[in-house]
Amino acid sequence: KAGVTQTPRYLIKTRGQQVTLSCSPISGHRSVSWYQQTPGQGLQFLFEYFSETQRNKGNFPGRFSGRQFSNSRSEMNVSTLELGDSALYLCASSARNRGNSPLHFGNGTRLTVT
Amino acid sequence: AQTVTQSQPEMSVQEAETVTLSCTYDTSESDYYLFWYKQPPSRQMILVIRQEAYKQQNATENRFSVNFQKAAKSFSLKISDSQLGDAAMYFCAYRRTTQGGSEKLVFGKGTKLTVNP
Repeated sequence: KAGVTQTPRYLIKTRGQQVTLSCSPISGHRSVSWYQQTPGQGLQFLFEYFSETQRNKGNFPGRFSGRQFSNSRSEMNVSTLELGDSALYLCASSARNRGNSPLHFGNGTRLTVT
Repeated sequence: AQTVTQSQPEMSVQEAETVTLSCTYDTSESDYYLFWYKQPPSRQMILVIRQEAYKQQNATENRFSVNFQKAAKSFSLKISDSQLGDAAMYFCAYRRTTQGGSEKLVFGKGTKLTVNP
């Protein structure tokens, strides 16, 4: 079974631009969540989707948004990029949105904002 | 709010030896789940082991085992017979259970494990 696939692996953008990151979950998984990883703040939760509905959202500004499609694939969008948005963005999928359902992570997208 | 603390930013161990990584957490919940994830340089977070709070028995996965002390809110990871491939960042994580079923993982800051040949 293929794992979680994130594209692209690396991205370089300029301040003020917007960016879209993509995540394809493990086949059959309906829950997709996104995390931001930085050296200073560590791993922080962005949002979670289940069956195309956002079920939970972290403490991030409205510039960060996401969506999930009927095939469970998910995208996250960051508008008006700031230097502080430079980070590794990790996507994770799970079969159910239950506490005991382990998250399976992708390799992440490394975003650099210059 | 739930918090997870890993007090050891870095640890090292000799190949074939045993090492224990510490994790404490703060929560008022009685039902939750705890995880250890490993992140090698490839960046992918890999689930190492998980523990259900309602289970008294400590989880084990081959060379990996945990010491879960619910009253002390402690969840340490023991790696036996350490191998070079165990070198990575290790993250302790907490996830609570709700009726709505959707809860985020709360991560600690991580412990960088070096394995010396």
